[in-house]
Amino acid sequence: DGGITQSPKYLFRKEGQNVTLSCEQNLNHDAMYWYRQDPGQGLRLIYYSQIVNDFQKGDIAEGYSVSREKKESFPLTVTSAQKNPTAFYLCASSIDKGGWQFFGPGTRLTVL
Amino acid sequence: AQRVTQPEKLLSVFKGAPVELKCNYSYSGSPELFWYVQYSRQRLQLLLRHISRESIKGFTADLNKGETSFHLKKPFAQEEDSAMYYCALRGAGNTPLVFGKGTRLSVIA
Repeated sequence: DGGITQSPKYLFRKEGQNVTLSCEQNLNHDAMYWYRQDPGQGLRLIYYSQIVNDFQKGDIAEGYSVSREKKESFPLTVTSAQKNPTAFYLCASSIDKGGWQFFGPGTRLTVL
Repeated sequence: AQRVTQPEKLLSVFKGAPVELKCNYSYSGSPELFWYVQYSRQRLQLLLRHISRESIKGFTADLNKGETSFHLKKPFAQEEDSAMYYCALRGAGNTPLVFGKGTRLSVIA
């Protein structure tokens, strides 16, 4: 599997610590997205970026932050302000803001 | 507001039986609809999109604007179809996809 990668696959952190999830793509896609997947909740949009150095909040942005300094990279920071951070996090990209989305393999974050 | 509803959390069918996974949407304009699938231990992947009007792995889906539905159908289910299926919508302005909560399909041998 290439194209879009997320690391690590599993991540454990203590409550109160910030943690950064990595998302990298080599598809030359302009747009990138972060979703959170919880059982019975489907996928909920956290943040998205349609171009380098620009990003917008999604439906559940509180407690999260992102940056888009390079086209290939869109890291997500889960801050201590996020009340329920334990979840499966999915990164996606699309060729432009109108294209269909490719998904990464996901990172499962567990906050102890 | 854009909303996608998948009324069934779990759908169990016998191998060889027809399958219909329901998807209804709420959107005032002309939407673009997608079906994504997530097999066990695999990443979420696009199954089909309504503008392509194609059949993938035997699945088809027709956009019914009158009923605001985009149901996924397959005439004969196979065990390898067991997976989580998500319906998604994109509205005008090329906004990010809005996903339903998903339906887990279990095909019983």
